[in-house]
Amino acid sequence: KNQVEQSPQSLIILEGKNCTLQCNYTVSPFSNLRWYKQDTGRGPVSLTIMTFSENTKSNGRYTATLDADTKQSSLHITASQLSDSASYICVVSAGSGGYQKVTFGIGTKLQVIP
Amino acid sequence: KAGVTQTPRYLIKTRGQQVTLSCSPISGHRSVSWYQQTPGQGLQFLFEYFSETQRNKGNFPGRFSGRQFSNSRSEMNVSTLELGDSALYLCATRSGRKSTDTQYFGPGTRLTVL
Repeated sequence: KNQVEQSPQSLIILEGKNCTLQCNYTVSPFSNLRWYKQDTGRGPVSLTIMTFSENTKSNGRYTATLDADTKQSSLHITASQLSDSASYICVVSAGSGGYQKVTFGIGTKLQVIP
Repeated sequence: KAGVTQTPRYLIKTRGQQVTLSCSPISGHRSVSWYQQTPGQGLQFLFEYFSETQRNKGNFPGRFSGRQFSNSRSEMNVSTLELGDSALYLCATRSGRKSTDTQYFGPGTRLTVL
């Protein structure tokens, strides 16, 4: 069964600090992994996408890593800002060609406080 | 370029009723996917439409149906509403069907079933 587990479920950090969110998956055959940011009351926004051959991808202060061997990914946020307060969702796609099965993690709720 | 539009934004229905939600994609986007988001389950895939054809389907009962029109706009219908159908319904669009194509989410429709 395809599963995506994220940790921690929630996190509170001080503004300016760094943090790392984790995503473990049991999805096969792996196609790609995405991280989304979802602000309260809004739809998710794509941060990064990584395929099997990529092990790191950056988007500004967000850096995602992928270890396809251990089936783990992390999202590192550098120098956090109040606007980083949101839920971060890990999404893994399995399959190939036109048919893809998408599995979502529950998300990590991040709160950045002054 | 206008983003993904979903209407209505909020909806209150009673058990047994039916509801139709609408999604207008970004201009040029032909793929529309629908998702249900609840606090306990996170995001769950409902179905995907491309060129007016359902291409992919999640594990939801037949009460959940959808369609796509020639202008790529999509509607989702839920019949015989149950309390458990209360959720945020999100649609996401992309230009093609490659799994690496970026999906753009709408703001969602918040459905409350009483």
